[in-house]
Amino acid sequence: EPEVTQTPSHQVTQMGQEVILRCVPISNHLYFYWYRQILGQKVEFLVSFYNNEISEKSEIFDDQFSVERPDGSNFTLKIRSTKLEDSAMYFCASSGTGAFFGQGTRLTVV
Amino acid sequence: RKEVEQDPGPFNVPEGATVAFNCTYSNSASQSFFWYRQDCRKEPKLLMSVYSSGNEDGRFTAQLNRASQYISLLIRDSKLSDSATYLCVVNWAGGFKTIFGAGTRLFVKA
Repeated sequence: EPEVTQTPSHQVTQMGQEVILRCVPISNHLYFYWYRQILGQKVEFLVSFYNNEISEKSEIFDDQFSVERPDGSNFTLKIRSTKLEDSAMYFCASSGTGAFFGQGTRLTVV
Repeated sequence: RKEVEQDPGPFNVPEGATVAFNCTYSNSASQSFFWYRQDCRKEPKLLMSVYSSGNEDGRFTAQLNRASQYISLLIRDSKLSDSATYLCVVNWAGGFKTIFGAGTRLFVKA
C-alpha cells in the first residue's frame, strides 16, 4: 500500500537553528500539506501546496516557515530560526480523496 | 465559535456498545468532511469520508447535515481496538484548507 514517508522521525535542534523536515508524498497525489501537533493538543493546519505553489496557509505559517518541492518526489518544510514553541510533531500529508499522513517528525527545540 | 467543535469526551463504553460522536463546524462554505482516528502518539488515519446522503463502512456510519452544519459518526458493536481519538475534519477553500477538531477520546473496555 502506498504511503507518505517522513524523515527524520525525531530531530533535536538548538533554538535559533534552521531545520528542514522532509516528506515523500504518495506518488500520484497532487495536493500536499503540512500540519503540526503540539503534545496533547489538536492537529493544526499549517499550509497546503498544489501545482508548485502554496494554496492556503494558516496564521501559524509565518515568515519563519517555508515549503518547497525541490524535485518530483520530495516536499520539505523549513523552519528558519526555531523557537522553543516550535517543538511539536510535524505531519506531512498528501491527498487524493481524503488526506493520508506520514508518521511524523518529532521536533524538539532546546 | 470554534471552526470545528467536538465533545472531547472521554467516552468510556463496554465492548459491544454503540457510541455516537458529534461535530459542528462554523464555516458554511465548507466543502468536504472526514472522520479520522488517531492512536496515541501516531499519525491521524483516514477512517471515512462523510457525504450528505450518509455513508456506512462496516460498523461505522457517518452522517452530514449541511443545514445544521453538523457531522456525526456512529460506531456499532464497539471493539477494544476502536479505542482511539476520533477527529472530525472539515475542508474548505477548494479543499486546500483543512481544519481538525480537537478530537473525541474513546475507551472501549472489556
